Amino acid sequence: KAGVTQTPRYLIKTRGQQVTLSCSPISGHRSVSWYQQTPGQGLQFLFEYFSETQRNKGNFPGRFSGRQFSNSRSEMNVSTLELGDSALYLCASSSRGRGSYNEQFFGPGTRLTVL
Amino acid sequence: AQTVTQSQPEMSVQEAETVTLSCTYDTSESNYYLFWYKQPPSRQMILVIRQEAYKQQNATENRFSVNFQKAAKSFSLKISDSQLGDTAMYFCAFMKHGETSGSRLTFGEGTQLTVNP
Repeated sequence: KAGVTQTPRYLIKTRGQQVTLSCSPISGHRSVSWYQQTPGQGLQFLFEYFSETQRNKGNFPGRFSGRQFSNSRSEMNVSTLELGDSALYLCASSSRGRGSYNEQFFGPGTRLTVL
Repeated sequence: AQTVTQSQPEMSVQEAETVTLSCTYDTSESNYYLFWYKQPPSRQMILVIRQEAYKQQNATENRFSVNFQKAAKSFSLKISDSQLGDTAMYFCAFMKHGETSGSRLTFGEGTQLTVNP
């Protein structure tokens, strides 16, 4: 099985622009979660999608949004970029069965630099 | 809300020796999972070991084992026979258990482990 893929791997944007990151989960996985990793704040949960519905949301401003498509692929969007949005954005997928543990498999991440 | 604390920002160990990484957490939940993840320089997050809170027996995976002290809310990782490939950032993480809890992980700050030849 192919692993979680994220595109693009690297991205450079300027303040005020918007950006869209993509995550393709492992085949058969219906849950996709997004995390932001920065040296100052560490790893922080952004949101989780399951069957095209947002199920969990972290404490981030409304500039951060996401969606999930019927094939479970997910995108996250950041509008009006700020310097502090520079980070590694990690995506993780799981099968998310009911009431059972579901290991999360992480992608390689997208490195976003905001200038 | 849950919090996870790793008080050792950096650690080093000689190849073939044993090292223990510490983690404490705070939660009011009774049913949860604890994890140790490894993030090597490639930045790929890899699951090292998992512990279910309801299990008293400490989890082991080959050279990796945990010391889970539920009452003390402590969850340390022991790496035996350290190898150069173990050099990485190690994150302790918490996940609530339950159908409606989803897959949200709360991470600690991380411990950078360096294995020296």
